[in-house]
Order: sequence, then structure tokens, then C-alpha cells
Amino acid sequence: ETGVTQSPTHLIKTRGQQVTLRCSSQSGHNTVSWYQQALGQGPQFIFQYYREEENGRGNFPPRFSGLQFPNYSSELNVNALELDDSALYLCASNGPGGETQYFGPGTRLLVL
Amino acid sequence: RKEVEQDPGPFNVPEGATVAFNCTYSNSASQSFFWYRQDCRKEPKLLMSVYSSGNEDGRFTAQLNRASQYISLLIRDSKLSDSATYLCVVNLGGSYIPTFGRGTSLIVHP
Repeated sequence: ETGVTQSPTHLIKTRGQQVTLRCSSQSGHNTVSWYQQALGQGPQFIFQYYREEENGRGNFPPRFSGLQFPNYSSELNVNALELDDSALYLCASNGPGGETQYFGPGTRLLVL
Repeated sequence: RKEVEQDPGPFNVPEGATVAFNCTYSNSASQSFFWYRQDCRKEPKLLMSVYSSGNEDGRFTAQLNRASQYISLLIRDSKLSDSATYLCVVNLGGSYIPTFGRGTSLIVHP
């Protein structure tokens, strides 16, 4: 087990709605990254947080935003949902060595 | 050109076969490389890191060719349980922001 948990496991929303996805990392894992994985594609990097500050961002619009909290939990917020936002959303935390990422089981989001 | 490219496959091989996947990357400043395995409808899991000198873990061998900018994964004596998608991951130097390939699907049949 990676020690990374995500909630909810599945979610159905309609276009225009907002969603918040949650992730909880292991203690001491100061870096968390969020990814979007569409069917048949590799994970696409959304953004990364280190010690509660955004540390890098991929090619996603501002309606994708995030937060990281001192207790090693984090959130991904998506506003104004679009049909193309339907995907598996993964969070991953970096272990003490830095580079190895440990993924949570993901949240499957369906936008209708 | 995509930053990290993989042949999506599927590679369909019999049990016991040897199969190899390649992954090319476009940024010569890339510093670290990994192979992840992803089972259907599951999260990716680290399979192995790829070092300049190459590395081996049981039936799995990973190699890096910096001159040609590709990494490879060799699986010997394939098992049914090896059926999965294999994701190539590349990090630029100085960052822990990885770029994933789209994955190569492997199907091992009896």
C-alpha cells in the first residue's frame, strides 16, 4: 500500500458544476502532485504543491485550482465543469528521497 | 513532437516470451527516468527506476540511451500477471515534475 488515499472514488457531475477532490498523503511527504488521466492516455500533470505552495503547473486552465494543508492532505478544485473533464484524477506524493511518486487509487469523475 | 512517446501497442505475446518496449523523450536535459506499471482501472505503481548504467530486477531490465534519448524495458519469461500498461516517465533536471508517456499495453496469453 502506498499510504495515499483519495475521496470520493467515483463522482458524477453535470456541466457547469464545481467539484472538489481530496487526497491524503503519508506523514512527511511534503510534495503532492495531481494528474488527469483520460481513457487510453497517460497521466497529464495538473500541478504540484510543496509545503502548501504551488510548485509547478501543467497546461491546465485556471478553473483547475488546488490547496495543500499542513496535515499532508490536499484538494483539487475544478470549476465550470466541461464534458472533457471526465477522467481519472490521481494524486501522488513524493517520498523522502524526492523522486519516487506514490499514487492514490484515483477519483473517477464523469461529467454529463 | 510529444515530450515522451511510447508505442501504445497492444503487444500480444505468449507466456514465456521475451518482450521489449522503448520510450523516446525529446528534452535532452531530462535527468531521471522511470517505468511504472498500471493495471486496468488502477493507479500507476513504480516498477523500476532507470539508471545510466542500466538496472535489472528479476525478469525486468531497464536501460537508458542518452545519446539517442530513449529508455527501454525488457521483460523475460513473460507471465500472465505481467499483462498491464507500462508507463514511461521522464523528469527534467532539478524538478520532481514528471512527464508521462501514454503507456504501452502488454497482453500475455496462455
